[in-house]
Amino acid sequence: DADVTQTPRNRITKTGKRIMLECSQTKGHDRMYWYRQDPGLGLRLIYYSFDVKDINKGEISDGYSVSRQAQAKFSLSLESAIPNQTALYFCATSDPGQGLGDEQFFGPGTRLTVL
Amino acid sequence: GESVGLHLPTLSVQEGDNSIINCAYSNSASDYFIWYKQESGKGPQFIIDIRSNMDKRQGQRVTVLLNKTVKHLSLQIAATQPGDSAVYFCAESRNYGQNFVFGPGTRLSVLP
Repeated sequence: DADVTQTPRNRITKTGKRIMLECSQTKGHDRMYWYRQDPGLGLRLIYYSFDVKDINKGEISDGYSVSRQAQAKFSLSLESAIPNQTALYFCATSDPGQGLGDEQFFGPGTRLTVL
Repeated sequence: GESVGLHLPTLSVQEGDNSIINCAYSNSASDYFIWYKQESGKGPQFIIDIRSNMDKRQGQRVTVLLNKTVKHLSLQIAATQPGDSAVYFCAESRNYGQNFVFGPGTRLSVLP
C-alpha cells in the first residue's frame, strides 16, 4: 500500500550495530504499529502507538525501541542487533473510527538480516 | 497464552473451485476478527472483518463465518482465481482492534 512506506526495504547488518527502520504514512491515521514476521509464526506485535504522545509495548518489545516523531512517522530501532532479530518487519496504521473495528493498513515490509 | 492458528497448512485448489480456509482461535473474549491476504513480497492486505455479534459476513467473492461455540473462523473464496494465490492470515482482538493476535497463515495455491 503506497500510503504506508517503509525504508529501507532491505538491510544487512552485523551483530552489535544500531539499526533504525523508518515508517511514514499519508493516511492521516493516529494509530501506528510495528510487527515482525518469522516463517511459521505469523506477525508478532513489537510496539504500537495510538497517538503522538502514546507508546506501548507489544508482545516482543525486548531489544527494540520506537519513536513517534509525528502523526505520520513511527521509527523502530534495534539498539544492538543480534542474529535472531533477522526477520521481515512491517509497519501498519489504523483508524478505529472507520468500518466495523480497527482494520490495519500495512507497509511493504523491511527485510532485515543480522549477520 | 493467546494463540491463533498454530500451524501453517497449504491448500491447493483448482481454478474456479471454491476455497475454504480455516482458523482456530483460543481466546473466547476476542470480539473482532480480520482476514488478511499476503502476496509474495508484499505486506498483508485487508480482505474482510467480522465482529463477535455476527456469525457471517459477505464481501465480493468472499465470506467469513464465525462459530464462537467452537472458536472457529473460516474464509470462503468463491470461484478461486490465480490471483487469489497467497498466504491468508486470520487475526483476533479484543476491544474491537486493540492488540491483534495473528495466526501463522495458510498458503493457498490455485492450480490451472
